[in-house]
Amino acid sequence: KNEVEQSPQNLTAQEGEFITINCSYSVGISALHWLQQHPGGGIVSLFMLSSGKKKHGRLIATINIQEKHSSLHITASHPRDSAVYICAVSRFGGSQGNLIFGKGTKLSVKP
Amino acid sequence: GAGVSQSPSNKVTEKGKDVELRCDPISGHTALYWYRQSLGQGLEFLIYFQGNSAPDKSGLPSDRFSAERTGGSVSTLTIQRTQQEDSAVYLCASSLASRASGYNEQFFGPGTRLTVL
Repeated sequence: KNEVEQSPQNLTAQEGEFITINCSYSVGISALHWLQQHPGGGIVSLFMLSSGKKKHGRLIATINIQEKHSSLHITASHPRDSAVYICAVSRFGGSQGNLIFGKGTKLSVKP
Repeated sequence: GAGVSQSPSNKVTEKGKDVELRCDPISGHTALYWYRQSLGQGLEFLIYFQGNSAPDKSGLPSDRFSAERTGGSVSTLTIQRTQQEDSAVYLCASSLASRASGYNEQFFGPGTRLTVL
């Protein structure tokens, strides 16, 4: 079993829909990252969080440390949100850079 | 300002040859990371440099892989005697110095696509 699991693997939505991507992990962590990878391959860091909730524009990330679960929400989705969303964790006690990655969720938003 | 840059953007090599991949981090970023993304495998950690500390090499898949960071800035990832399974996109990222109580956002480069024939 992977240490970081994401669901769903693939997601198709209509423009304007509210989207949720889930991430569960099985190790103790110091931080959790949400990354976005566009079709061209470039990766952008969306959020880094260790507790609670963060919001940036239409994106919201939450984490529940006790349940070892995080969610990424996209409100009022748009076709430009189409990308692969990747969850990654820094293992507690490990080095900052030693991230364990989920396999990603491929999101396609149709106009 | 300039982001993380990597060169070359694409590299095709023959099995058994050595390759060097370069990463120029964002100026002032003391932390530098190498990852690779293989087709169908997702992202995996390779090596992490933080300032003058000993690097975390725990992700390097074999002793054919090595990396160095000169002057705390530019880093080179070297793969010796390349194998076909080394074919992947090699990504570099950098971040500001690690805070004592937390971790810092990583900024990723565009990657180097390595193809070993």
